[in-house]
Amino acid sequence: EIVLTQSPATLSLSPGERATLSCRASQSVSSYLAWYQQKPGQAPRLLIYDASYRGTGIPARFSGSGSGTDFTLTISSLEPEDFAVYYCQQRSNWPRTFGQGTKLEIK
Amino acid sequence: QMQLQESGPGLVKPSETLSLTCTVSSGSISNSRYYWGWIRQPPGKGLEWIGNIYYSGSADYNPSLKSRVIISVDTSKNQFSLKLRSVTAADTAVYYCARVGVAVAIGYFDLWGRGTLVTVSS
Repeated sequence: EIVLTQSPATLSLSPGERATLSCRASQSVSSYLAWYQQKPGQAPRLLIYDASYRGTGIPARFSGSGSGTDFTLTISSLEPEDFAVYYCQQRSNWPRTFGQGTKLEIK
Repeated sequence: QMQLQESGPGLVKPSETLSLTCTVSSGSISNSRYYWGWIRQPPGKGLEWIGNIYYSGSADYNPSLKSRVIISVDTSKNQFSLKLRSVTAADTAVYYCARVGVAVAIGYFDLWGRGTLVTVSS
């Protein structure tokens, strides 16, 4: 099973700042990695797939990069609605696995 | 626009079977561009993939749950279902059904139901 480790566990920033979230895989997943956003009481929402492709309707301030074992989600300028929990997920191997999440909170 | 909705009991007794159904609306579950999945999230914790199924009935399961899980599809009702037997308190979670892309965003969960909380307790 591929283990995805996200860092940091919590990130405290202010609106307008740049956010950088990391996801590291225990073995290569090529580019087969996605990022999801989850707000309290809501289902996750697909932001980025195949490491760098934005999902339907996702704003351009969200971008993804990386390949192999190291991936990054960047939010260029935080909006108030961006404060949430973010998860990465790999589809390279079975079983599909998720990272433990990064909570992005308002500073 | 396609929507997914989970339904089923919110309370299940230990050792019994958890049964949930996901109804797909405004679209066909037999659409070859998608398959369908279940994911769960214990309160305050992260996401765990349970399994996926194609409209043909072909399914994949998480090995950690495989001995207790069955996912099935009913194309006539536009539904797919989850059965998890011999539940314990550790199975208490919000259960989500989701759509998985076959043609675009392949292998990722691109549309989710709102989720349903299932509590295992006597």
